[in-house]
Order: sequence, then C-alpha cells, then structure tokens
Amino acid sequence: TQLLEQSPQFLSIQEGENLTVYCNSSSVFSSLQWYRQEPGEGPVLLVTVVTGGEVKKLKRLTFQFGDARKDSSLHITAAQPGDTGLYLCAGARGGKLIFGQGTELSVKP
Amino acid sequence: NAGVTQTPKFQVLKTGQSMTLQCAQDMNHEYMSWYRQDPGMGLRLIHYSVGAGITDQGEVPNGYNVSRSTTEDFPLRLLSAAPSQTSVYFCASSYAGSSGNTIYFGEGSWLTVV
Repeated sequence: TQLLEQSPQFLSIQEGENLTVYCNSSSVFSSLQWYRQEPGEGPVLLVTVVTGGEVKKLKRLTFQFGDARKDSSLHITAAQPGDTGLYLCAGARGGKLIFGQGTELSVKP
Repeated sequence: NAGVTQTPKFQVLKTGQSMTLQCAQDMNHEYMSWYRQDPGMGLRLIHYSVGAGITDQGEVPNGYNVSRSTTEDFPLRLLSAAPSQTSVYFCASSYAGSSGNTIYFGEGSWLTVV
C-alpha cells in the first residue's frame, strides 16, 4: 500500500493544455515536496510546501498544500514540451521522505 | 561542483554475488539516504543516516547494509544479490533531515542481477 497516492500515473497532452497532478494521503506530513526527474538523472526539487493551505507559484507551475497537510496538487498552465518528465511528490514524516509513485507527463508539440 | 557522486553508474551482478554502491557528497550534509526506484513505485527508502556513526532502516532495508564512518561517504552494500534487487539506486543528501530541506540526489546507479 502506497502511503502517498499520485494520480494520474500517466498523462499525455498537447502543447498549450492545462493539467493537474494530485498527491493524496490519509496521513499528515510536516512538509511536502515536488520533484521533477528526467530520464537517466536523479530527481530535482521544484518546491517545498510547509503550511496547510499554502500556494506557491513557479512560473507556469502552481503548487498547493491541502489545509489538513494530507494532500497536494501541481497545476501546470499552458504545458510545453519541455515540461515532459516524471513528477514525484514526497512527504516528510518522522525524519524520512516518503515518495508517491510518480506521474509520467508527456507534452506533445 | 560535484554535489552527490555515485559509483558505479551501471553494474551487472550474478545472483549471490556481493557488491558495494559508493556514495560521496562534498556539501558537508549531515543527512544521507539511499533509495531504490522501480517502475510504478516511485522511490522507496532503503536506509538513511542523520550523521556519522548513525544509521537507520527505511521502508525496504532487507538485503542491504550501510555504514557511515565519515560525513562525506555513505556506501550501500548488497550482501547476496537477488534478481529482486534489480533496480535503479539513488543516493541523496541534505543539511538536516528531510522536512523542508532541499535534498540533493546523485545521478543513479543501474543494477541488474541475473
């Protein structure tokens, strides 16, 4: 059983479309991070959200932490082919970082 | 500008063989960890260390040993390799724990056990 459930697992969209990736859990996390990973490389941190209800924006990416600190979402506006990659959410709990399964995003020109 | 360095990048082992994946960081980070990544399962924590001389188990520790004799190095040992340990392994480090801190990952080690 995955402690952090990401959905969808796969997403294939056209350039210019909007999308949202969800990261859900029944457990509370002290913080939640989003990573992006490209083939053959390690994950790279995009953002950390710490406060319940927090919203952070990174250019066309908007990250939200749920009020109860159990879930998060990543919204991408006007997706570009360069956004293609594996997106991972990870929750911090008891000094450990627990990852979701990941969302494989493909943006076609 | 090394960051987190893992070696080897690729390795093929026979069932029953042992080996060590090396990990070194040059950022003076206290916290280091090892993950394995399998399709559809994200990254799963194998072992982690909050400082030299201190290690603890993660989600999937069986079949792996670690030690932390220095701040810089955190090797992962496979005692008797099994096909189920075929995976991509990532070493990571951060200043102090994982809560709110930026974690830096190595580039990964691809291990195949035949």
